[in-house]
Amino acid sequence: AAGVIQSPRHLIKEKRETATLKCYPIPRHDTVYWYQQGPGQDPQFLISFYEKMQSDKGSIPDRFSAQQFSDYHSELNMSSLELGDSALYFCASTFSSEYGYTFGSGTRLTVV
Amino acid sequence: AQSVTQPDIHITVSEGASLELRCNYSYGATPYLFWYVQSPGQGLQLLLKYFSGDTLVQGIKGFEAEFKRSQSSFNLRKPSVHWSDAAEYFCAVGAFYNTDKLIFGTGTRLQVFP
Repeated sequence: AAGVIQSPRHLIKEKRETATLKCYPIPRHDTVYWYQQGPGQDPQFLISFYEKMQSDKGSIPDRFSAQQFSDYHSELNMSSLELGDSALYFCASTFSSEYGYTFGSGTRLTVV
Repeated sequence: AQSVTQPDIHITVSEGASLELRCNYSYGATPYLFWYVQSPGQGLQLLLKYFSGDTLVQGIKGFEAEFKRSQSSFNLRKPSVHWSDAAEYFCAVGAFYNTDKLIFGTGTRLQVFP
């Protein structure tokens, strides 16, 4: 079965650089969620999109932006990276809650 | 406010022993409840989920969980733990019939001794 694909798997950036993380949801899933998981922390909700429109926003810094494209894939853009942005970034997709949320394997971002 | 509480930060059990991980939730609407497992540096794997119906749900890897509405709990259990079960376990709650975000608990780290 198709899963949620995230790329890249690992990313190393320097402070003040920019990073773009990509998420390809399961086909026909119309909702995408982004989560940030710091070391030893639980996943924190950043932002979500439903049918290419932002549907909810969590603790996402102003330096971050995201969008969902016509093919339903989503990109998380992170600018002026800080050391504290080092984390595992998960994307999840769903068609409706009844069908559950499927998570990607995550992108591990390391800011040095 | 919507929240998930996992009271046990760290649990240690011997291999072959039974296991129960606690989860309590606070949610305004009818909740969907989930348990995820995460090995170090890995992604989140769904163990089981509860939407409605039978309050005892079976999941993968021999895990089960029981939904108790009166106690706002969704505890995860396994009758006999294997060394490979050592991981971080997250309880999460989502909205019923809505594509609302998942809210996670802080996780319980399970350590298994041989």
